[in-house]
Amino acid sequence: DAGVIQSPRHEVTEMGQEVTLRCKPISGHDYLFWYRQTMMRGLELLIYFNNNVPIDDSGMPEDRFSAKMPNASFSTLKIQPSEPRDSAVYFCASSFIGDEQFFGPGTRLTVL
Amino acid sequence: QQQVKQSPQSLIVQKGGISIINCAYENTAFDYFPWYQQFPGKGPALLIAIRPDVSEKKEGRFTISFNKSAKQFSLHIMDSQPGDSATYFCAATRGNNAGNMLTFGGGTRLMVKP
Repeated sequence: DAGVIQSPRHEVTEMGQEVTLRCKPISGHDYLFWYRQTMMRGLELLIYFNNNVPIDDSGMPEDRFSAKMPNASFSTLKIQPSEPRDSAVYFCASSFIGDEQFFGPGTRLTVL
Repeated sequence: QQQVKQSPQSLIVQKGGISIINCAYENTAFDYFPWYQQFPGKGPALLIAIRPDVSEKKEGRFTISFNKSAKQFSLHIMDSQPGDSATYFCAATRGNNAGNMLTFGGGTRLMVKP
C-alpha cells in the first residue's frame, strides 16, 4: 500500500483565499484524523472520522475550518477564508479499528 | 483539560550515549501511551507504545519506562546514533481503541552528534 496520501504537499496562498487540503487514507482503514502542527502549539487534533462520520470536531479552531469525508477513500479539509495564522503543516492520519495511526507526509500551508 | 507535558524541548547527545525524554500526564483514564518519531519533512511514525499493566517495554535500543503512581513515562534510547536525530512525541489516549484521540506532548528535538 502507498500509505496515506496528501495533496498538495505545499500550498502558498494569500489571505482571504479558500484553501482545500486533500487526503486519501490507507485502503481498509476506518478512522481518519486531521492534525495541525505548528512550532507554538505542537500537534493538535482538529477532527476525526469513523466510517466517514465526523466523531469529534472540538479541535477545529473556527468556523472558517470545515472537513468532509464523502467516502472511505477521500477526505478534505477546507479553510475559508484563510488567514496568516493558519500557516502550519497539516497532517492526515488513518487507522484500522482504532489501531496504530499512520500519518501522511503532510501539507505545508503558507498564508501570506 | 487533558494534557501531556514533555521535556526537554531539545536534547543533544553524543553518539553511543543514552537519550532520555520524559512525559507526564494528568488524566488517570489514559491507558495507552505511544511514542512517535518524526523526521524533517515527514509525518510522525509510531516508534513504541506501552499500556499501564507493565512498567517497562523494550524494543531494540528503545525502552519505555512507565510509573503509574507518578503519572509519568519516559523514552530511553540506548547507544544513540546520528540516525536517531529526529523529533520525538509522547502521546496518550484511553480506551481499547488505540487509534482514538491522541493527546500529544510538545515534542523533543533530539540531535545525536557523531
